[in-house]
Amino acid sequence: NAGVTQTPKFQVLKTGQSMTLQCAQDMNHEYMSWYRQDPGMGLRLIHYSVGAGITDQGEVPNGYNVSRSTTEDFPLRLLSAAPSQTSVYFCASSSTGGSGEAFFGQGTRLTVV
Amino acid sequence: AQSVAQPEDQVNVAEGNPLTVKCTYSVSGNPYLFWYVQYPNRGLQFLLKYITGDNLVKGSYGFEAEFNKSQTSFHLKKPSALVSDSALYFCAVRDGRGKLIFGQGTELSVKP
Repeated sequence: NAGVTQTPKFQVLKTGQSMTLQCAQDMNHEYMSWYRQDPGMGLRLIHYSVGAGITDQGEVPNGYNVSRSTTEDFPLRLLSAAPSQTSVYFCASSSTGGSGEAFFGQGTRLTVV
Repeated sequence: AQSVAQPEDQVNVAEGNPLTVKCTYSVSGNPYLFWYVQYPNRGLQFLLKYITGDNLVKGSYGFEAEFNKSQTSFHLKKPSALVSDSALYFCAVRDGRGKLIFGQGTELSVKP
């Protein structure tokens, strides 16, 4: 089972460039989410989705866009990269409802110079 | 809004000793609580969860957690620590729609 797949694993961007982080899951989970992990800050929720066509903002949504056209895919777009977006990004999926645990991708390490 | 606090940035224990990693939460309604572990340069792995029922929850790798409603706590425990348990541990709380909020993490260091 592939689980949650994130691409790329590493990326270096110049300030002002745009890019899309890809996330795909093969578990038919309705709920998907994006987090960023920074030292001492834990994981902070950027955006999440409870199903195809439905997205909502998390704790730190500014500078990021998402869409959910299919159940499997939940891409995260950086519109104009800034050094403050240097971080490790994790995608997660789970069944809808409170009891199911989340499954995480291996992460994307993004550096903005 | 739900929130999670992990009051200790780092916990140090000797191998073979019991370990506790602390977590307190704030949520309206019944809490769904989780513990995850992260090894260096890896994603997060699920350890255990509390949904309802027994206050002592058993999980992977010999870990367990004790749910205390009156103290709004969900501390992670293990009777005998291993060096290989050294990692970053996250407590999380989830609402009814699935939104999962994490604490800031606790670095566990187990020395031989």
